[in-house]
Amino acid sequence: RKEVEQDPGPFNVPEGATVAFNCTYSNSASQSFFWYRQDCRKEPKLLMSVYSSGNEDGRFTAQLNRASQYISLLIRDSKLSDSATYLCVVNVNSGGYQKVTFGIGTKLQVIP
Amino acid sequence: EAGVTQFPSHSVIEKGQTVTLRCDPISGHDNLYWYRRVMGKEIKFLLHFVKESKQDESGMPNNRFLAERTGGTYSTLKVQPAELEDSGVYFCASSQDRGGYTDTQYFGPGTRLTVL
Repeated sequence: RKEVEQDPGPFNVPEGATVAFNCTYSNSASQSFFWYRQDCRKEPKLLMSVYSSGNEDGRFTAQLNRASQYISLLIRDSKLSDSATYLCVVNVNSGGYQKVTFGIGTKLQVIP
Repeated sequence: EAGVTQFPSHSVIEKGQTVTLRCDPISGHDNLYWYRRVMGKEIKFLLHFVKESKQDESGMPNNRFLAERTGGTYSTLKVQPAELEDSGVYFCASSQDRGGYTDTQYFGPGTRLTVL
Protein backbone atom coordinates (compact mmCIF):
# COMPACT_ATOMS: atom_id res chain seq x y z
CA ARG A 1 0.00 0.00 0.00
CA LYS A 2 1.31 3.44 -0.92
CA GLU A 3 1.97 5.88 1.90
CA VAL A 4 -0.02 8.59 0.15
CA GLU A 5 -2.71 7.61 -2.32
CA GLN A 6 -4.38 9.81 -4.88
CA ASP A 7 -6.57 9.16 -7.88
CA PRO A 8 -4.33 10.22 -10.78
CA GLY A 9 -7.34 11.21 -12.90
CA PRO A 10 -7.56 12.98 -15.22
CA PHE A 11 -10.56 14.90 -14.01
CA ASN A 12 -12.08 16.76 -16.95
CA VAL A 13 -14.52 19.40 -15.76
CA PRO A 14 -16.24 22.35 -17.47
CA GLU A 15 -15.44 25.90 -16.49
CA GLY A 16 -17.42 26.99 -13.48
CA ALA A 17 -17.80 23.50 -12.07
CA THR A 18 -16.92 22.45 -8.56
CA VAL A 19 -14.42 19.63 -8.27
CA ALA A 20 -13.10 17.74 -5.26
CA PHE A 21 -10.01 15.62 -4.82
CA ASN A 22 -9.27 13.24 -2.00
CA CYS A 23 -6.01 11.88 -0.73
CA THR A 24 -5.48 9.15 1.86
CA TYR A 25 -2.38 8.54 3.93
CA SER A 26 -1.29 5.43 5.77
CA ASN A 27 1.01 6.76 8.51
CA SER A 28 -1.08 7.76 11.50
CA ALA A 29 1.92 9.68 12.87
CA SER A 30 1.71 12.15 9.98
CA GLN A 31 1.67 15.65 11.33
CA SER A 32 1.32 18.17 8.56
CA PHE A 33 -0.41 18.16 5.25
CA PHE A 34 -0.25 20.24 2.12
CA TRP A 35 -1.62 20.58 -1.36
CA TYR A 36 0.87 21.54 -4.03
CA ARG A 37 0.11 22.48 -7.59
CA GLN A 38 2.34 21.41 -10.44
CA ASP A 39 1.96 22.74 -13.95
CA CYS A 40 3.23 20.69 -16.87
CA ARG A 41 7.03 20.51 -16.85
CA LYS A 42 7.25 22.94 -13.95
CA GLU A 43 8.16 22.61 -10.31
CA PRO A 44 5.62 21.95 -7.55
CA LYS A 45 4.36 25.07 -5.84
CA LEU A 46 2.62 25.24 -2.50
CA LEU A 47 -1.10 25.81 -2.92
CA MET A 48 -2.17 25.59 0.68
CA SER A 49 -1.55 23.93 3.98
CA VAL A 50 -4.27 21.72 5.42
CA TYR A 51 -5.40 22.07 9.00
CA SER A 52 -7.73 20.01 11.13
CA SER A 53 -10.14 22.90 11.34
CA GLY A 54 -10.18 23.18 7.57
CA ASN A 55 -9.02 26.22 5.69
CA GLU A 56 -10.21 28.25 2.77
CA ASP A 57 -8.38 30.46 0.32
CA GLY A 58 -10.67 32.05 -2.19
CA ARG A 59 -12.16 29.31 -4.34
CA PHE A 60 -10.07 26.63 -2.68
CA THR A 61 -11.01 24.75 0.49
CA ALA A 62 -8.90 22.10 2.15
CA GLN A 63 -10.04 19.68 4.82
CA LEU A 64 -8.28 17.15 7.00
CA ASN A 65 -9.91 14.12 8.59
CA ARG A 66 -7.38 12.57 10.95
CA ALA A 67 -9.69 9.78 12.09
CA SER A 68 -10.12 8.52 8.54
CA GLN A 69 -6.67 9.66 7.45
CA TYR A 70 -7.69 11.60 4.40
CA ILE A 71 -7.30 15.08 3.04
CA SER A 72 -9.51 16.80 0.55
CA LEU A 73 -9.27 19.77 -1.78
CA LEU A 74 -12.36 21.48 -3.14
CA ILE A 75 -12.16 23.91 -6.03
CA ARG A 76 -15.23 26.01 -6.71
CA ASP A 77 -16.02 27.90 -9.91
CA SER A 78 -13.19 26.22 -11.82
CA LYS A 79 -11.14 28.38 -14.16
CA LEU A 80 -9.16 27.30 -17.19
CA SER A 81 -6.04 28.37 -15.29
CA ASP A 82 -6.76 25.77 -12.61
CA SER A 83 -5.71 23.05 -15.05
CA ALA A 84 -2.70 21.39 -13.43
CA THR A 85 -1.70 18.41 -11.35
CA TYR A 86 -2.53 18.66 -7.65
CA LEU A 87 -0.11 16.91 -5.35
CA CYS A 88 -1.02 15.75 -1.88
CA VAL A 89 1.96 16.03 0.48
CA VAL A 90 2.21 14.51 3.92
CA ASN A 91 4.94 15.21 6.46
CA VAL A 92 6.08 13.08 9.33
CA ASN A 93 8.25 14.71 11.95
CA SER A 94 11.43 12.64 12.10
CA GLY A 95 14.12 13.59 14.60
CA GLY A 96 12.91 17.17 14.67
CA TYR A 97 12.86 17.45 10.90
CA GLN A 98 10.19 16.77 8.36
CA LYS A 99 10.08 13.66 6.20
CA VAL A 100 8.06 14.44 3.12
CA THR A 101 5.95 11.99 1.14
CA PHE A 102 4.19 12.92 -2.08
CA GLY A 103 1.16 11.43 -3.69
CA ILE A 104 1.29 10.75 -7.40
CA GLY A 105 -0.89 13.78 -8.07
CA THR A 106 -4.35 14.25 -9.52
CA LYS A 107 -4.53 15.80 -12.95
CA LEU A 108 -7.24 18.38 -13.49
CA GLN A 109 -8.24 19.63 -16.91
CA VAL A 110 -10.77 22.46 -16.98
CA ILE A 111 -12.42 22.70 -20.36
CA PRO A 112 -14.19 25.69 -21.91
CA GLU B 1 14.34 37.48 -3.84
CA ALA B 2 15.78 34.79 -6.11
CA GLY B 3 14.18 31.38 -5.91
CA VAL B 4 15.79 27.97 -5.93
CA THR B 5 17.83 27.47 -9.07
CA GLN B 6 19.04 24.27 -10.65
CA PHE B 7 21.57 23.55 -13.34
CA PRO B 8 21.42 22.17 -15.94
CA SER B 9 17.77 22.24 -16.90
CA HIS B 10 18.25 19.23 -19.14
CA SER B 11 20.97 16.62 -19.43
CA VAL B 12 21.20 13.75 -21.89
CA ILE B 13 23.98 11.27 -21.25
CA GLU B 14 24.86 7.73 -22.15
CA LYS B 15 24.73 4.84 -19.77
CA GLY B 16 27.97 4.61 -17.83
CA GLN B 17 28.72 8.31 -17.97
CA THR B 18 28.82 10.68 -15.03
CA VAL B 19 26.51 13.62 -14.48
CA THR B 20 26.57 16.29 -11.80
CA LEU B 21 23.49 18.29 -10.97
CA ARG B 22 23.66 21.54 -9.08
CA CYS B 23 21.17 23.27 -6.81
CA ASP B 24 21.39 26.76 -5.39
CA PRO B 25 18.87 27.19 -2.57
CA ILE B 26 17.23 30.40 -1.53
CA SER B 27 19.79 32.49 0.32
CA GLY B 28 19.64 31.88 4.06
CA HIS B 29 17.81 28.57 3.81
CA ASP B 30 19.57 25.99 5.94
CA ASN B 31 17.51 23.07 4.71
CA LEU B 32 18.10 21.65 1.26
CA TYR B 33 16.32 18.64 -0.15
CA TRP B 34 16.76 16.51 -3.25
CA TYR B 35 13.86 14.68 -4.84
CA ARG B 36 13.39 12.63 -7.98
CA ARG B 37 10.40 11.95 -10.16
CA VAL B 38 10.56 8.99 -12.46
CA MET B 39 7.98 9.04 -15.27
CA GLY B 40 4.62 7.83 -14.08
CA LYS B 41 5.68 7.66 -10.44
CA GLU B 42 5.47 9.87 -7.39
CA ILE B 43 8.05 12.45 -6.49
CA LYS B 44 10.40 10.59 -4.17
CA PHE B 45 12.58 12.00 -1.41
CA LEU B 46 16.30 11.39 -1.86
CA LEU B 47 18.03 13.28 0.92
CA HIS B 48 18.00 16.26 3.22
CA PHE B 49 20.85 18.59 4.19
CA VAL B 50 20.85 20.88 7.17
CA LYS B 51 23.55 23.35 6.31
CA GLU B 52 26.44 21.14 5.21
CA SER B 53 25.36 18.04 7.12
CA LYS B 54 23.32 15.17 5.75
CA GLN B 55 20.33 14.93 8.05
CA ASP B 56 18.61 12.11 6.20
CA GLU B 57 19.84 10.24 3.14
CA SER B 58 17.49 7.31 3.44
CA GLY B 59 16.03 7.93 0.00
CA MET B 60 19.25 7.66 -1.95
CA PRO B 61 18.81 4.73 -4.35
CA ASN B 62 22.33 3.30 -4.18
CA ASN B 63 25.99 4.21 -3.89
CA ARG B 64 26.11 5.51 -7.45
CA PHE B 65 24.55 8.68 -6.09
CA LEU B 66 26.67 11.14 -4.14
CA ALA B 67 25.38 14.40 -2.77
CA GLU B 68 27.46 17.16 -1.27
CA ARG B 69 26.85 20.58 0.17
CA THR B 70 30.21 22.02 0.99
CA GLY B 71 30.00 25.23 2.99
CA GLY B 72 26.30 24.83 3.44
CA THR B 73 25.40 26.82 0.36
CA TYR B 74 24.83 25.14 -2.98
CA SER B 75 24.58 21.39 -3.37
CA THR B 76 25.63 18.94 -6.02
CA LEU B 77 24.23 15.52 -6.81
CA LYS B 78 26.53 13.28 -8.79
CA VAL B 79 25.44 10.11 -10.51
CA GLN B 80 28.34 7.83 -11.41
CA PRO B 81 28.01 5.70 -13.44
CA ALA B 82 24.55 6.55 -14.70
CA GLU B 83 22.10 3.78 -15.51
CA LEU B 84 18.95 3.83 -17.64
CA GLU B 85 16.69 3.76 -14.57
CA ASP B 86 18.23 7.00 -13.31
CA SER B 87 16.30 8.95 -15.94
CA GLY B 88 13.78 11.34 -14.46
CA VAL B 89 13.36 14.84 -13.15
CA TYR B 90 15.51 15.77 -10.17
CA PHE B 91 14.06 18.51 -8.02
CA CYS B 92 15.78 20.46 -5.33
CA ALA B 93 13.92 22.31 -2.61
CA SER B 94 14.92 24.52 0.27
CA SER B 95 13.31 25.72 3.47
CA GLN B 96 14.28 28.26 6.02
CA ASP B 97 14.02 27.00 9.54
CA ARG B 98 15.18 23.91 11.36
CA GLY B 99 12.95 21.74 9.29
CA GLY B 100 9.99 21.77 11.58
CA TYR B 101 6.87 20.25 10.22
CA THR B 102 5.33 23.57 9.31
CA ASP B 103 8.17 24.63 7.05
CA THR B 104 7.32 25.52 3.49
CA GLN B 105 9.60 23.99 0.93
CA TYR B 106 10.34 26.00 -2.20
CA PHE B 107 11.16 23.94 -5.23
CA GLY B 108 13.57 24.60 -8.04
CA PRO B 109 12.56 24.07 -11.67
CA GLY B 110 14.19 20.65 -11.78
CA THR B 111 16.81 18.98 -13.93
CA ARG B 112 15.46 16.58 -16.53
CA LEU B 113 17.98 13.75 -16.84
CA THR B 114 17.81 11.29 -19.70
CA VAL B 115 20.15 8.32 -19.72
CA LEU B 116 20.40 6.58 -23.08
